[in-house]
Amino acid sequence: RKEVEQDPGPFNVPEGATVAFNCTYSNSASQSFFWYRQDCRKEPKLLMSVYSSGNEDGRFTAQLNRASQYISLLIRDSKLSDSATYLCVVKFYGGSQGNLIFGKGTKLSVKP
Amino acid sequence: NAGVTQTPKFRVLKTGQSMTLLCAQDMNHEYMYWYRQDPGMGLRLIHYSVGEGTTAKGEVPDGYNVSRLKKQNFLLGLESAAPSQTSVYFCASSFGGHTEAFFGQGTRLTVV
Repeated sequence: RKEVEQDPGPFNVPEGATVAFNCTYSNSASQSFFWYRQDCRKEPKLLMSVYSSGNEDGRFTAQLNRASQYISLLIRDSKLSDSATYLCVVKFYGGSQGNLIFGKGTKLSVKP
Repeated sequence: NAGVTQTPKFRVLKTGQSMTLLCAQDMNHEYMYWYRQDPGMGLRLIHYSVGEGTTAKGEVPDGYNVSRLKKQNFLLGLESAAPSQTSVYFCASSFGGHTEAFFGQGTRLTVV
């Protein structure tokens, strides 16, 4: 089983829509969680870290559910510029010390 | 600050040739990583380092070697390139085990 799984999409939504992505991880020893954004043919860039208490940054809200081992990202009032691939990232500890594991990404396309 | 810089940005190799990809970071980060990204496969970890003089294997290490002689540099070597190594290679660094990673702009490598 892949350690980090995401719905690949694509999610095609109109401007102004609210869209949610989920990500599940298999290793309960995971300690750190992030959402990255990757534009076509560019490097991944950090969108936000995900904290146990949940966190919000403007139109973006991230949630962590350790019991069910999933992470979510909610984007409100979608903009055209939100079109990108969103990567769920988990850091595991133990045998692969400090290893960042990426999901395959969820593609979002926001249409006018 | 330049952040994470990768050289070269593009390269075409013939099968059997060797080359070294250079990653340099100016953020005094301890952790450095090499990933490859292929369509439909997401980002996969090749090798990583948790400090100067240390390296460890990731998910797909075969055919690659790495060195971390200086804290700021992480070199990825291909001793005998194969067409299966055609990919986009990303270097990343992070301050510690719990912190986010910053990526270089990528190296597009084609092996013919």
